[in-house]
Parts: sequence; structure tokens; C-alpha cells
Amino acid sequence: AQSVTQLGSHVSVSEGALVLLRCNYSSSVPPYLFWYVQYPNQGLQLLLKYTSAATLVKGINGFEAEFKKSETSFHLTKPSAHMSDAAEYFCAVIFAGGTSYGKLTFGQGTILTVHP
Amino acid sequence: KAGVTQTPRYLIKTRGQQVTLSCSPISGHRSVSWYQQTPGQGLQFLFEYFSETQRNKGNFPGRFSGRQFSNSRSEMNVSTLELGDSALYLCASSLGWGQRNSPLHFGNGTRLTVT
Repeated sequence: AQSVTQLGSHVSVSEGALVLLRCNYSSSVPPYLFWYVQYPNQGLQLLLKYTSAATLVKGINGFEAEFKKSETSFHLTKPSAHMSDAAEYFCAVIFAGGTSYGKLTFGQGTILTVHP
Repeated sequence: KAGVTQTPRYLIKTRGQQVTLSCSPISGHRSVSWYQQTPGQGLQFLFEYFSETQRNKGNFPGRFSGRQFSNSRSEMNVSTLELGDSALYLCASSLGWGQRNSPLHFGNGTRLTVT
């Protein structure tokens, strides 16, 4: 079955430290991949997307993600965490084929805490 | 350009009642999707509309329904509310159906509480 998994429901880092949020998908065909961020009492904001062009994707707020087909992964990174990065992050996938065009499948989310 | 607008932001309903939530997409966007977000189940796809037609449907009971109007605005309806329907309902719009590289833009959601 096609699925997306985020490893770690909570990640805690110090301000200025590297942020690494993990996302793996299960699919025989590379899907379209997205990272979204959600701040309290708000909707989801798109951070970046992978659509089969460059494997290293740069997004907003200094985030980037690398698509690795061999590892079926799309991990999100940021070199230096800022207090304002504290939020919940979701990896999302549109799987190829069928009528799944508009259907995003989300990971369970990772809550990022940034300590001063 | 205005973002996706959802109304109302908060709703409190009683079990057995029905509720209608509204979504106005970004201007020019013709596809609208709905998602339910709960602490236990996370984000789950409800349905997607394009050109006033439902193009895709998630695994929800028939009590959940929706529609899209000619101006692309959308509504979703939940009848015979249950306690488990308490959730944040998110609407998202995109340029068009079939454009998988056109990302979804989300509204701030409607927080529904069923008592």
C-alpha cells in the first residue's frame, strides 16, 4: 500500500542547531512530494515541493529537502534553527496514477521545538 | 491576492445536528479539496471538486458531503453529527485538477466542536 511516514513525532533542537525532519514514502513510482508547516490555530503553509526536477529543493524560510529515490526519502533540513521555526511539520505526497491528482496523503506530522 | 477563506472559524454543535462549512478559494483557482484534521487520525482527505464535479472522495461515511458552485466556492455538509466529528476542517485550493505540480493552498480552517 502507498503510504508516507514521518520518523519522530517530536523533535527538539537548540536555536542555531541543524534541523532534520525525516520523511519516507512507500511507492514503486516516485510521487510528487511536499512539506507543509502548521502554526497553532492556523492552516498549512507550503514550505517546498518536489516535482521531478532538481532533487535538492529549496523552500521558504531557509528550509530545503533532498529527494533520494534509492532511499524513498524526502527529508527536510535547515542549517540553523530559529525560535520562529517552532511549529508542526507535515510531509505530504501525491502518488502517481489513478485519480489521485488532488489527493494529498499526509504523514502524521512532526512537532519541532526550538530551545533558546 | 487574498488567500483561501473559510467561514466560520469556530462552530459548536450538538450531536444529531447538521452543519455547513464554507470555503472561498484563491481567485483563479478552480479546484477545491477538503481535509479533516484530528489529533488521533491526523490529516485525512475528504473530497475534491473541480468544475462543480466531485473528482475524488476519501473514506468517509455518506454523512459527509460537499458541493462546488460555478464561481468555484465550495461548501461541505455533515449531517447527523457525532462526537467524533469534532475536528479542524481544512479547505485547500489549487489551479486545476490534474495538475499535480500545482500545490494546494490551505485556509485557516473551521474548528468544529460537537457536544
